[in-house]
Amino acid sequence: DTAVSQTPKYLVTQMGNDKSIKCEQNLGHDTMYWYKQDSKKFLKIMFSYNNKELIINETVPNRFSPKSPDKAHLNLHINSLELGDSAVYFCASSHSGGRTYEQYFGPGTRLTVT
Amino acid sequence: QKEVEQDPGPLSVPEGAIVSLNCTYSNSAFQYFMWYRQYSRKGPELLMYTYSSGNKEDGRFTAQVDKSSKYISLFIRDSQPSDSATYLCAMSVSSNDYKLSFGAGTTVTVRA
Repeated sequence: DTAVSQTPKYLVTQMGNDKSIKCEQNLGHDTMYWYKQDSKKFLKIMFSYNNKELIINETVPNRFSPKSPDKAHLNLHINSLELGDSAVYFCASSHSGGRTYEQYFGPGTRLTVT
Repeated sequence: QKEVEQDPGPLSVPEGAIVSLNCTYSNSAFQYFMWYRQYSRKGPELLMYTYSSGNKEDGRFTAQVDKSSKYISLFIRDSQPSDSATYLCAMSVSSNDYKLSFGAGTTVTVRA
């Protein structure tokens, strides 16, 4: 059984388009995250939701909008895509309450903006 | 200056060698120190975590934390080709801290 799944796995699109990435976890976690990993492998947190409430909102362009319909799902919508948005986007999840260091990552969505 | 600096690598070692990976950090409030392993085209997975200073061993893997020097290490003994991956150090202030600060990762290749 896949613990944290993301769709799509690959996304190739043109500048200016709008796209969404979906994430689902079946681990029973109450906290979910979006990370961006650039070409140099640097992993940077973008957003985090705990029980559907936004708890981390890093300095990210407002073209990026997360949405958590329930504890098991976290989506990321990106408007007006730019070349610099090309990266791998990872969804992750964890328990809160003393184990947030143990985060489970999805397989990633490789976004290429042309 | 980044909050967490990691030796950039890449490292290429023969099978059976000891691999040594290091990170330094600037935030003295960090209490939890993690090592994540990321295989090519996969998401990171937690390998080990250590609380505060000291050593922790898990099979062929040993994590060391020296808070006085703000320096952490991961050693892999008897390295295997299956250990070939990118290793990311990560740190947080507490076990309730949702925000992890990651190093940039070191890519290791173990040659058969």
